Amino acid sequence: AQKVTQAQTEISVVEKEDVTLDCVYETRDTTYYLFWYKQPPSGELVFLIRRNSFDEQNEISGRYSWNFQKSTSSFNFTITASQVVDSAVYFCALSESASGSEKLVFGKGTKLTVNP
Amino acid sequence: KAGVTQTPRYLIKTRGQQVTLSCSPISGHRSVSWYQQTPGQGLQFLFEYFSETQRNKGNFPGRFSGRQFSNSRSEMNVSTLELGDSALYLCASRLGIGFQETQYFGPGTRLLVL
Repeated sequence: AQKVTQAQTEISVVEKEDVTLDCVYETRDTTYYLFWYKQPPSGELVFLIRRNSFDEQNEISGRYSWNFQKSTSSFNFTITASQVVDSAVYFCALSESASGSEKLVFGKGTKLTVNP
Repeated sequence: KAGVTQTPRYLIKTRGQQVTLSCSPISGHRSVSWYQQTPGQGLQFLFEYFSETQRNKGNFPGRFSGRQFSNSRSEMNVSTLELGDSALYLCASRLGIGFQETQYFGPGTRLLVL
């Protein structure tokens, strides 16, 4: 069965600190996709990144970077030099082909607060 | 290109009533999914529609239903509302079907059942 675990419920940092959000997933499939979404207080889920199971290259986009390791079933997200605008709830999600349903399975989310 | 829109944004109902929520996908997107978000259960999949057909359904009672129109707009309906139905209902659209497709979410409808 699919499962996504985000062990960190809440993280609080001071502006300019680096912060890493952890995501561990479970799947029996060899072909799957992983996603990260950001949910600001307004409620809308904002898509950040998609990664397929065959591409283990790390990705960097500005201050954001993602580390995908199949060996540990993890897809961690790092924000470098955090800013107050990064404050939000971040969700990791999994989509696999074997389940027959292309739904997204979400983790419980990590609430990040960046203090000035 | 305009994003996913949902109406209404906020809704207050009383137990026993029914409610209909609307979702307009991104132009050209043919798949619409619905998710319920609550503090206790997190984000849970309700159902997905593609070409006016329900393709997948989550583990929710029959009081939750939906439909999709020929222009890909979708509605979801909850009948006989219960207090536990209070939640943020999020709609997501994607270009087609397939687990590799990215889902883009709307701002959600916050439903409060009193």
